[in-house]
Amino acid sequence: RKEVEQDPGPFNVPEGATVAFNCTYSNSASQSFFWYRQDCRKEPKLLMSVYSSGNEDGRFTAQLNRASQYISLLIRDSKLSDSATYLCVVNAAGGFKTIFGAGTRLFVKA
Amino acid sequence: NAGVMQNPRHLVRRRGQEARLRCSPMKGHSHVYWYRQLPEEGLKFMVYLQKENIIDESGMPKERFSAEFPKEGPSILRIQQVVRGDSAAYFCASSPSGQTKASGANVLTFGAGSRLTVL
Repeated sequence: RKEVEQDPGPFNVPEGATVAFNCTYSNSASQSFFWYRQDCRKEPKLLMSVYSSGNEDGRFTAQLNRASQYISLLIRDSKLSDSATYLCVVNAAGGFKTIFGAGTRLFVKA
Repeated sequence: NAGVMQNPRHLVRRRGQEARLRCSPMKGHSHVYWYRQLPEEGLKFMVYLQKENIIDESGMPKERFSAEFPKEGPSILRIQQVVRGDSAAYFCASSPSGQTKASGANVLTFGAGSRLTVL
């Protein structure tokens, strides 16, 4: 089983749609969680950290469910510029490795 | 702030040659991480270094790959006797402090990557 699993997609949505991605992780000792965004042939960039209480940044909402070991990202009012690969990222307590999921591709169309 | 600088951006090597990829962390960052990304795949952790120390190299292949982060100068990822399967994008990231049990994960800032093509 992969340490971090994501649905690869692609998700094809029209502008203005709401889209949700889920991610599961295998290490119950994981402590830190993030969503990164990666554009085609570019480096990953931090989108947002994910907290147990859930957090929101504009059109983006992240949730963490420790009991089920999954993380979600909700994007409201999708923009063309949201088209990218979204990477679920997990770091285990006491570990040095930050583990990246393989990513979920999103295409937002006019 | 120049960010994380990687060079070369593109490198072409023939099978059996050596590849050297360099990474200069962000100013003020003393921790460097190398990741490899194969086409259509996610990033795979390779190694985590501090100045003059390898902290975790559990993701490094046992042979042909080595990494260093000297007291002066950039971190270097070295691949000896390259094979076609080494073709990938190699990303370097840095953080201001290390990832410890107490501190948890620090946000990583990535360089633009070095794309290695082995002919």
